[in-house]
Amino acid sequence: EAGVAQSPRYKIIEKRQSVAFWCNPISGHATLYWYQQILGQGPKLLIQFQNNGVVDDSQLPKDRFSAERLKGVDSTLKIQPAKLEDSAVYLCASSLDTMLLYEQYFGPGTRLTVT
Amino acid sequence: QKEVEQDPGPLSVPEGAIVSLNCTYSNSAFQYFMWYRQYSRKGPELLMYTYSSGNKEDGRFTAQVDKSSKYISLFIRDSQPSDSATYLCAMKGGGSNYKLTFGKGTLLTVNP
Repeated sequence: EAGVAQSPRYKIIEKRQSVAFWCNPISGHATLYWYQQILGQGPKLLIQFQNNGVVDDSQLPKDRFSAERLKGVDSTLKIQPAKLEDSAVYLCASSLDTMLLYEQYFGPGTRLTVT
Repeated sequence: QKEVEQDPGPLSVPEGAIVSLNCTYSNSAFQYFMWYRQYSRKGPELLMYTYSSGNKEDGRFTAQVDKSSKYISLFIRDSQPSDSATYLCAMKGGGSNYKLTFGKGTLLTVNP
């Protein structure tokens, strides 16, 4: 079974520039998550989709971050404009459903450096 | 007070040692407790999953949950160099609260 795919793996941008990350979840997984993991911290949930609808985006900085999941499969996360404090690894995860017992499978992440 | 507290280490042990990793939490609504392992430059992978209080064993790994003390542990027996990674505890509540709350992670190095 193919895992969660993410691209790019690494990205370096200057502050105030924009950037986009792409995620392809495991086939058949209805729920997709975007996490931000700052160095030395645990992942923090940014947004959770159930199919193509948003379940939770309470910790997404909506003035600069946006995410979409068209057709309930792939997803993109965008930052515009980027700030220095956005430097982090952005992890995408997917699970069969939102129900509590379903395991979340994580992708390898995109490491973003904002200079 | 943070919802989940985890000593970031780093923790360095010789091969074959018993490793104890711990987290404390403040939210009494948490019912599901997980341990994830994260190798360098990889995403976290689920290692152990426990519901409510009690122990769960899987090979060399044992997870313990003490809800009365709001304390969870992961024990690794006969540690191997391949166990070297960051170990993250994570928790979530019941009902409609599906959000995972992670600890900061403990960096473990097992020396051959």
